[in-house]
Amino acid sequence: DVKVTQSSRYLVKRTGEKVFLECVQDMDHENMFWYRQDPGLGLRLIYFSYDVKMKEKGDIPEGYSVSREKKERFSLILESASTNQTSMYLCASSNTGELFFGEGSRLTVL
Amino acid sequence: QQQVKQSPQSLIVQKGGISIINCAYENTAFDYFPWYQQFPGKGPALLIAIRPDVSEKKEGRFTISFNKSAKQFSLHIMDSQPGDSATYFCAARKGMPAGKLIFGQGTTLQVKP
Repeated sequence: DVKVTQSSRYLVKRTGEKVFLECVQDMDHENMFWYRQDPGLGLRLIYFSYDVKMKEKGDIPEGYSVSREKKERFSLILESASTNQTSMYLCASSNTGELFFGEGSRLTVL
Repeated sequence: QQQVKQSPQSLIVQKGGISIINCAYENTAFDYFPWYQQFPGKGPALLIAIRPDVSEKKEGRFTISFNKSAKQFSLHIMDSQPGDSATYFCAARKGMPAGKLIFGQGTTLQVKP
């Protein structure tokens, strides 16, 4: 069965902390994505990667960076967390168009 | 130009009724229009999708109607059931890579027994 696993379901961090959100997929997909979900705003693309060590900015990359050292793993990094980054973060992978999502990581920044 | 506008934000339907969610877009370069369904505590999952060369696609109780000239598409859920209660997102894709989607704002559907 297809699986995208986000290691942390709930995180609480303080302003200014560095935050790592990890995502692993077991489908050998080329493409991986980080979306942010906020009520009334839908899902917005932060970054995506179409190959190992390759990354591209999405629609809202400010304040975020990513890392893809292995095909199955895509990490989202908040260098210095701010309260406006409190949100649900969704990782997804894809090969042919259908996105397969993880269950999300709910981040609260105090 | 890159936006997908979705309405309504929330919808309450009686069991057995028809649920209709609408989306509009501006960019005529969009080439793929999926709908995703999300249950509480879960990630979104693909429900049904359409390409702009067809006007309608039906899968069971779920139908996408697509109006290319009006740049609108909609999801119809026939015989709505309480198990359909979820958040629904329309989306659109412009080119590659596969999976780079622009999502609508989401519609929370509640089907009352």
